[in-house]
Amino acid sequence: DGGITQSPKYLFRKEGQNVTLSCEQNLNHDAMYWYRQDPGQGLRLIYYSQIVNDFQKGDIAEGYSVSREKKESFPLTVTSAQKNPTAFYLCASSQEPDRGGFQETQYFGPGTRLLVL
Amino acid sequence: QKEVEQDPGPLSVPEGAIVSLNCTYSNSAFQYFMWYRQYSRKGPELLMYTYSSGNKEDGRFTAQVDKSSKYISLFIRDSQPSDSATYLCAMRSYGQNFVFGPGTRLSVLP
Repeated sequence: DGGITQSPKYLFRKEGQNVTLSCEQNLNHDAMYWYRQDPGQGLRLIYYSQIVNDFQKGDIAEGYSVSREKKESFPLTVTSAQKNPTAFYLCASSQEPDRGGFQETQYFGPGTRLLVL
Repeated sequence: QKEVEQDPGPLSVPEGAIVSLNCTYSNSAFQYFMWYRQYSRKGPELLMYTYSSGNKEDGRFTAQVDKSSKYISLFIRDSQPSDSATYLCAMRSYGQNFVFGPGTRLSVLP
């Protein structure tokens, strides 16, 4: 089955601790994304990567870090600098459209809920 | 003004009703339009995708894009309790990042 997997489903962070959220895809997509979802606020982009070994900050990158060493994997680290990390984190992937308007959409993983102890 | 606006609801309808969900946007460069359905504590799943203007139908779902008015709609016919979820609109222009609406929470009452 092709898709995106995220782990763990729930994650608890203690004060001052860094935690890493896993995201893996087997869709052979070039681009991968991390979003944060808070109640009533929709999806906010944290980081994105359009190719291996390259990534860019999104709208709310402060307190987060990523790596993209493999096409299939895009882990997100929530650092101790992120003072309000409690949220639902969603990983997504997409394939860039060609000029002919090739059907291109973004697919999401099941999410990781991060809670602070 | 937010780039994509969407009424957050909640919207409650009786089973069998026709549901209309809408988004307005400000960026005339958007050309790819999507609707996602998100059940509570789950990841969004793609429902409909439309490129540029026009209508697209898939079963009980119809997506409409009116680029002249910067307005997109999702219609659900014969709504079912299993349609109860949050519906997110999303859009992008070529080579740019996706922009999402905040979502409309829908409840279909049996």
